[in-house]
Amino acid sequence: AQSVTQLGSHVSVSEGALVLLRCNYSSSVPPYLFWYVQYPNQGLQLLLKYTSAATLVKGINGFEAEFKKSETSFHLTKPSAHMSDAAEYFCAVRTEKLTFGTGTRLTIIP
Amino acid sequence: DTEVTQTPKHLVMGMTNKKSLKCEQHMGHRAMYWYKQKAKKPPELMFVYSYEKLSINESVPSRFSPECPNSSLLNLHLHALQPEDSALYLCASSQEGSGGLNTGELFFGEGSRLTVL
Repeated sequence: AQSVTQLGSHVSVSEGALVLLRCNYSSSVPPYLFWYVQYPNQGLQLLLKYTSAATLVKGINGFEAEFKKSETSFHLTKPSAHMSDAAEYFCAVRTEKLTFGTGTRLTIIP
Repeated sequence: DTEVTQTPKHLVMGMTNKKSLKCEQHMGHRAMYWYKQKAKKPPELMFVYSYEKLSINESVPSRFSPECPNSSLLNLHLHALQPEDSALYLCASSQEGSGGLNTGELFFGEGSRLTVL
């Protein structure tokens, strides 16, 4: 069975600092991986996806993620945090179903 | 048009009421999904429709009844709900049908926040 693990349920960074949200996957087949963001009282918005083309994936709002097979990781990064990045972030893996990690709440400190 | 539209945005109902949540997409997607999300938790899959047929039911209680009238519409009929069913209900769609390996992303609506009194 496929699954993802997000390390750190809550991450706080200062405005302008590097954002790093961690995701590790478990999969018996090449995984298809996604990062979604959820702002308060809203649905989920796709940030980026990995589907075995390039290992470094660029997404919206300045986010990117690197697929590392040797580490079974797909961490999300952004060089400089903005106040508007405060939200819940979900890593997800898809085969027949889309399965989410437990989520990481990102807080930006002014 | 890359939107999934859900109505109503908010719903309050008693345990004896019958109500419905509605979802619509016009992206030509062939798979549609219902997810349930409790506060501070990830979305949990409830149902998947592929080519207008129910393909996945994640052992959801029968008080939740999905319906897919056509490829653009998805309903969730609610009857005799319990207070613990209060949650955000998210609809999503994707281009492929389910079954086998799918690589495409899901597009989510804004959700319907349900409160059961």
